[in-house]
Amino acid sequence: NAGVMQNPRHLVRRRGQEARLRCSPMKGHSHVYWYRQLPEEGLKFMVYLQKENIIDESGMPKERFSAEFPKEGPSILRIQQVVRGDSAAYFCASSPEHNYGYTFGSGTRLTVV
Amino acid sequence: GQQVMQIPQYQHVQEGEDFTTYCNSSTTLSNIQWYKQRPGGHPVFLIQLVKSGEVKKQKRLTFQFGEAKKNSSLHITATQTTDVGTYFCAGDGGSSNYKLTFGKGTLLTVNP
Repeated sequence: NAGVMQNPRHLVRRRGQEARLRCSPMKGHSHVYWYRQLPEEGLKFMVYLQKENIIDESGMPKERFSAEFPKEGPSILRIQQVVRGDSAAYFCASSPEHNYGYTFGSGTRLTVV
Repeated sequence: GQQVMQIPQYQHVQEGEDFTTYCNSSTTLSNIQWYKQRPGGHPVFLIQLVKSGEVKKQKRLTFQFGEAKKNSSLHITATQTTDVGTYFCAGDGGSSNYKLTFGKGTLLTVNP
């Protein structure tokens, strides 16, 4: 039973490029969450999705950031026109129900140069 | 909005000493969760507490949820080098607040 799969593990982008981060939740999990972590900081909530629906995107910047969780395929976090301040670790987590503990993926470390 | 504070930010102990981290929420929580993240790793779910005053144990780890459901603690007895990592608490505000709000964590280092 594979856990939460995130890819790529490491992503380097030049300023102005687009970054696409993928997350496949655990089998049977329909709730997906994206969090961002800066060094020595906690996890900052970005967005909560269920299949084909964005439930809560209150933690996501209004511009350049978008997320989706299509009926088929992984959840995608998309960052357009990346800037140096977007450099961080982005973690995806999934759960079978809303109030259950989360299973996190290994994260994508994004570096913007 | 909901805020979750954790203290201390860092704790260094000698192997065999006890360790406690404390978590406080600005609002009443429906449940609180604890996670551990090893250096360079990802958060791993440890436990969820739901009931007021609840106490749960996992081997050398003891978790408590306050009576008012606004604070929690994690206590490790006789630390080992394998306990090294950052311990996060995370609060769930309930059905109208979907996001799990994480504290900044307590980094535990253990001197062998």
